[in-house]
Amino acid sequence: NAGVTQTPKFQVLKTGQSMTLQCAQDMNHEYMSWYRQDPGMGLRLIHYSVGAGITDQGEVPNGYNVSRSTTEDFPLRLLSAAPSQTSVYFCASSSGTSGGIAKNIQYFGAGTRLSVL
Amino acid sequence: DAKTTQPPSMDCAEGRAANLPCNHSTISGNEYVYWYRQIHSQGPQYIIHGLKNNETNEMASLIITEDRKSSTLILPHATLRDTAVYYCIVRAPFPRSNDYKLSFGAGTTVTVRA
Repeated sequence: NAGVTQTPKFQVLKTGQSMTLQCAQDMNHEYMSWYRQDPGMGLRLIHYSVGAGITDQGEVPNGYNVSRSTTEDFPLRLLSAAPSQTSVYFCASSSGTSGGIAKNIQYFGAGTRLSVL
Repeated sequence: DAKTTQPPSMDCAEGRAANLPCNHSTISGNEYVYWYRQIHSQGPQYIIHGLKNNETNEMASLIITEDRKSSTLILPHATLRDTAVYYCIVRAPFPRSNDYKLSFGAGTTVTVRA
């Protein structure tokens, strides 16, 4: 059982380039999300999704786009990379209610380390 | 989400139990206590959660006081691989809480020494 898989693990971009960070989960979770973590800081929520076709903004959405066409996949797109987007990006998924009991436990991927020069 | 207070750091000897305290005196009735940890350079990892009863799984035990104002995470036999930052989070599960994000706070840096 792979859990949450993120690719690539490392990426270096030049300012202005675009790219997509991939995230896939095999746990049939309803909820998926993207966080960024800067050195010495906590996680900040970028975007999240409560199901296929439904996305919403987190606390730091500017410069990022998401879509959720399937339950399994939740890619994060950087439209025009900026040095301020240098960070570690984590994708997470969680179940909603299970057996009538809301758990909302979030399972995280290993992260993508992005440098924008 | 209820505010939590954790010690900034603690040391533990390998093979001994590690007891990590968390104060959450403003917890409300529908809020759970969740524990996560983040090992250096890795993604956060869920450990355990509970509402009011003590809980145990293969990783740890969670002891919640009767008034629910504090809790203790117990790692029964700490190993070097348990060195990490441990986060106590108190919140109602989404969507009962309309705030999806998981706020980790500063956590407790646990160093397990040989």
